[in-house]
Amino acid sequence: QKEVEQDPGPLSVPEGAIVSLNCTYSNSAFQYFMWYRQYSRKGPELLMYTYSSGNKEDGRFTAQVDKSSKYISLFIRDSQPSDSATYLCAMSGNQAGTALIFGKGTTLSVSS
Amino acid sequence: DSGVTQTPKHLITATGQRVTLRCSPRSGDLSVYWYQQSLDQGLQFLIQYYNGEERAKGNILERFSAQQFPDLHSELNLSSLELGDSALYFCASSVTNLFYNEQFFGPGTRLTVL
Repeated sequence: QKEVEQDPGPLSVPEGAIVSLNCTYSNSAFQYFMWYRQYSRKGPELLMYTYSSGNKEDGRFTAQVDKSSKYISLFIRDSQPSDSATYLCAMSGNQAGTALIFGKGTTLSVSS
Repeated sequence: DSGVTQTPKHLITATGQRVTLRCSPRSGDLSVYWYQQSLDQGLQFLIQYYNGEERAKGNILERFSAQQFPDLHSELNLSSLELGDSALYFCASSVTNLFYNEQFFGPGTRLTVL
C-alpha cells in the first residue's frame, strides 16, 4: 500500500459545480496536510495548509482532515474554468528531515 | 512567479550521458529541495540541502548527486542516464529546513533521454 493514495481522475465538471478531491494515507505520523495546485507546464503552488484534524476555509476552497479515518479532502465551490489544473495532496510529519509525501494528483477540468 | 529559477527549461540528451540542472532559490530561502515528477510515479522527493549541507535524502539514485553552493544556488547532477530518467525535475525552496513549511517550486526542467 502506498503511503498516499489519490485518484488521478480526470475529473470533468461544469462551471459552478462543487468539486470534491480526496486523498487517503497510511502513515499515522503525518501531522501537516497540504494541497498544491499545478497548472500545465508549471511548478506546483501551495493552495491550502492544515495542521492535524479539522477544517480550513479560504474563499471558495475548504480543506478537511479526518485523522481518525486517514482521509483528507479539498472542496472547491462555484468552480471556475481557471480552476482547471492538477491538484496534489501532500503530507508530512513534524520532525526535521521528514519528507513531504505527495499524492499522484487529480486532474480537474472545469468547462464553461 | 514563485521566485525560484531553474535552468535549462528543456534538456534532450542520450543514454549514458551526464547532465547538470541548476536552481536558484527565492531570496532569503536557505533550503533547497529537488523532486522528480513522472506520470507513473508522481512527484517524488530526491534530496534536500539546507544552507549548504545535505539534510535529507529520498528516492535518489546513486547515479544522481546534488550540492548547494555558498551563494545558495543548487545543482543536481544526473549521470549514466537511462531512458527511465526522462521526467520533469523540480527544485523548490523554503525559509527553514522543515518540510512542512511552504515550499516554493520553480518552473521545472524537462529532461528527455533518447
